[in-house]
Amino acid sequence: GDSVTQMEGPVTLSEEAFLTINCTYTATGYPSLFWYVQYPGEGLQLLLKATKADDKGSNKGFEATYRKETTSFHLEKGSVQVSDSAVYFCALSDPGGSARQLTFGSGTQLTVLP
Amino acid sequence: DVKVTQSSRYLVKRTGEKVFLECVQDMDHENMFWYRQDPGLGLRLIYFSYDVKMKEKGDIPEGYSVSREKKERFSLILESASTNQTSMYLCASRPGQGRNEQFFGPGTRLTVL
Repeated sequence: GDSVTQMEGPVTLSEEAFLTINCTYTATGYPSLFWYVQYPGEGLQLLLKATKADDKGSNKGFEATYRKETTSFHLEKGSVQVSDSAVYFCALSDPGGSARQLTFGSGTQLTVLP
Repeated sequence: DVKVTQSSRYLVKRTGEKVFLECVQDMDHENMFWYRQDPGLGLRLIYFSYDVKMKEKGDIPEGYSVSREKKERFSLILESASTNQTSMYLCASRPGQGRNEQFFGPGTRLTVL
């Protein structure tokens, strides 16, 4: 079945550091890929998405590129801020499976120190 | 912007009580979902609905039921609350028509004593 594997956290960085959170996936079809962010005590917010190979999703300085050859969708940001401290979830929607459902990774806790 | 609202942010109930969690979306989305989120277990799908009066079981439906009488509203029901149902409950909706992203509400933190 479908699965999403994220790098384990927690990740702690200093402000203005470069961020990478790794995400790889297994899917039967050609999935759409997503990154969600969850701030403390809140629900999940869609951060960015990509729907086909080589697409780059971007939002708020975050980027991720859909790499079909490596089945990856790594999240990057060039300079993190304290306000980026949150839990980040990688997810996929597989049209070969139940397209109504999302498969989530386990989440990566990011803490950015001033 | 898509808006998904949940009836309560925090809820405290006693064992054996019947609990209703309400979710409303304002964008005419076809699909709606209920998840629970627990430390170390991630998000787990309880039930989802792809149309009014239609529902499908997710990964952990035991102890829960749902109701979708109107397109914009999806209710999660705990028939007899138990302490192991203490959790964060997240509702989401999905547009359909080829768009697969889900939009989440703020969550309800339920404590069952």
